[in-house]
Amino acid sequence: GQQVMQIPQYQHVQEGEDFTTYCNSSTTLSNIQWYKQRPGGHPVFLIQLVKSGEVKKQKRLTFQFGEAKKNSSLHITATQTTDVGTYFCAGHTGGFKTIFGAGTRLFVKA
Amino acid sequence: DTAVSQTPKYLVTQMGNDKSIKCEQNLGHDTMYWYKQDSKKFLKIMFSYNNKELIINETVPNRFSPKSPDKAHLNLHINSLELGDSAVYFCASRPGSRLISTDTQYFGPGTRLTVL
Repeated sequence: GQQVMQIPQYQHVQEGEDFTTYCNSSTTLSNIQWYKQRPGGHPVFLIQLVKSGEVKKQKRLTFQFGEAKKNSSLHITATQTTDVGTYFCAGHTGGFKTIFGAGTRLFVKA
Repeated sequence: DTAVSQTPKYLVTQMGNDKSIKCEQNLGHDTMYWYKQDSKKFLKIMFSYNNKELIINETVPNRFSPKSPDKAHLNLHINSLELGDSAVYFCASRPGSRLISTDTQYFGPGTRLTVL
């Protein structure tokens, strides 16, 4: 069945360092969404990418959607302790089903 | 004015018991979901309802039975609870009723189920 692989599973960084998480789908996606889950919290929507090669920025966060619409990345510049949490990508091929990646847990040391 | 609410927030119970988790959304959304998140944080879709109609039913034991009395509510009943059912269960809703939708999902706060 369709899969969305996400790496790395964990990332420990020093505050101020950059962080990147990657998602790869086994099939072409119609769109991809990114969510953030703080420790003890619930997933919260960050952004959606729809177009091939799309790049979107939110302050220190940069999101990319690959040309083939099979991969995506989230890059955080100069991490802060408030960035701690699990970042999920979620792929759609159409329809109601969302395929979530396994998530990348980000730990930031002050 | 919580958008997606779940009750209870915590549920501790013995193996073999039957329990229910309730979910309500006041966003006017057409589609609702149940997800299970295990200890490794993996989010797995269980069920989805669109306007009270079951549209997604993943490979979930039939001890789990969802019920949607109206499009604002999606409850989850679990029979004969097992140790492996311990997890956080998230309800989510989405506006779209179209088959192809780019709508955002809004998650509830989660119900942490512990089976002893």
